[in-house]
Amino acid sequence: AQSVTQLGSHVSVSEGALVLLRCNYSSSVPPYLFWYVQYPNQGLQLLLKYTSAATLVKGINGFEAEFKKSETSFHLTKPSAHMSDAAEYFCAVRGGASYDKVIFGPGTSLSVIP
Amino acid sequence: DGGITQSPKYLFRKEGQNVTLSCEQNLNHDAMYWYRQDPGQGLRLIYYSQIVNDFQKGDIAEGYSVSREKKESFPLTVTSAQKNPTAFYLCASTPGTGLYNEQFFGPGTRLTVL
Repeated sequence: AQSVTQLGSHVSVSEGALVLLRCNYSSSVPPYLFWYVQYPNQGLQLLLKYTSAATLVKGINGFEAEFKKSETSFHLTKPSAHMSDAAEYFCAVRGGASYDKVIFGPGTSLSVIP
Repeated sequence: DGGITQSPKYLFRKEGQNVTLSCEQNLNHDAMYWYRQDPGQGLRLIYYSQIVNDFQKGDIAEGYSVSREKKESFPLTVTSAQKNPTAFYLCASTPGTGLYNEQFFGPGTRLTVL
C-alpha cells in the first residue's frame, strides 16, 4: 500500500530563514505528488504538484519542491520564510494501487518566529 | 466565483442524533470526496464518488453515509453509530479521474458532540 511520511510534525524557522519541509513516499509506480497548505479552520489549498514533466516544481507563494526518485522524496522549500507562511502543510500522493484515492501525510505545522 | 461550499461551518450534535453536512460545488467536477481531520492525523477518507448515483467507501466509512443524486451535491450524514464524531470535516472535488488532477477543498465543517 502507498504511504506518505512527513518528518517532523512541527517545524520552527526564523523569519527570512530557509524553509525545508520533508516528504517521503512509498509507491510501486511513479506517483503524482502534491503539496497542500492549510490555514487555521480552513480547507486545504494546492501549493504545487509533480506530474513527471519536470523534477523541480515551482508553486505559489515562492515555494518549490524537487522530486528525487532515488530517494523517494518530494521535499518542499522556500528560500526566505515570511510570517504569513505559518500554517499546516500536507504532502500527498496519488497513483499505483490507490489510483482513485489521494493518500495524505500526517502534516507538518510550520511556525515562523519574528 | 466557482468553488466548493460547506454548511454549516459549526455544528453541534447531541448523543444519538444523526446530522447531515452539506457540500455543494459549482466547478462541474466529476469526483467528490469527504475527509475527516483530527489533530495530528492528517486527512482520512470517509467516502468518495466519481459519478452521480455511485459512491465508494473510504478508509473510515463506518458510522457515515452519503448520497450523490446530483453532480454538484455530495451530502454526508453522521449517524448515531459513529461513536466519536467530533472532528473537522472537509469536502473536496476533482475535475475527472486523471491522476494528475489536484483536489479542490471546501472551507470545512467543525462538528462537536455535546
